[in-house]
Amino acid sequence: QVQLVESGGGVVQPGRSLRLSCAASGFSFSSSGMHWVRQAPGKGLEWVAVIWSDGVTKNHADSVKGRFIISRDNSKNTLFLQMNSLRAEDTAIYYCASIHPTNSYFDYWGQGTLVTVSS
Amino acid sequence: SYELIQPPSVSVSPGQTASITCSGDKLGDKYASWYQQKPGQSPVVVIYQNTQRPSGIPERFSGSNSGNTAILTISGTQAVDEADYYCQTWANTAVFGGGTKLTVL
Repeated sequence: QVQLVESGGGVVQPGRSLRLSCAASGFSFSSSGMHWVRQAPGKGLEWVAVIWSDGVTKNHADSVKGRFIISRDNSKNTLFLQMNSLRAEDTAIYYCASIHPTNSYFDYWGQGTLVTVSS
Repeated sequence: SYELIQPPSVSVSPGQTASITCSGDKLGDKYASWYQQKPGQSPVVVIYQNTQRPSGIPERFSGSNSGNTAILTISGTQAVDEADYYCQTWANTAVFGGGTKLTVL
């Protein structure tokens, strides 16, 4: 049974940092591309970042480029999102999601972790 | 950057057919997926690769994609289908539509 469990969310002041984690189980994590997708309160889905299985190839949305860094530890089946210089507009539920290996759609999603940026 | 446009809301009577559109430049040249999200829950894929339905998704869900428009069709809509629906494609990165709130009334 596939499980993606995010953690690390909370309330943080503008300009501060936060690190999100996503613990994966039930599938071949080390072979899977992994993404972060966020959803601001009452808003739609916004793609944030991707990291390929090699852990080297990665990409970030323009809205977070230079502030957020996606990474992974395949030995621990864990995905990370280091969020620096947080802004109020980064307030959202952050989901980790896996990509189907052959059909390129988001096949599994975590339950999400809420990040609130507020003074 | 690439954009996908969806109507904010669609209403349908129980048992009728609901159609949700998703528009993007030459979207028909790409694969489109559709995700259903109910309040307080994570998204779930209902259609991938334009027309494919994952196991466990009812047959009343179908999809098409041609020209600049992808369409999610729900035949014999049920109250349980009331949710937000998002289209998604790939343009170097993942791109989501703004979402459509489907109301069954």
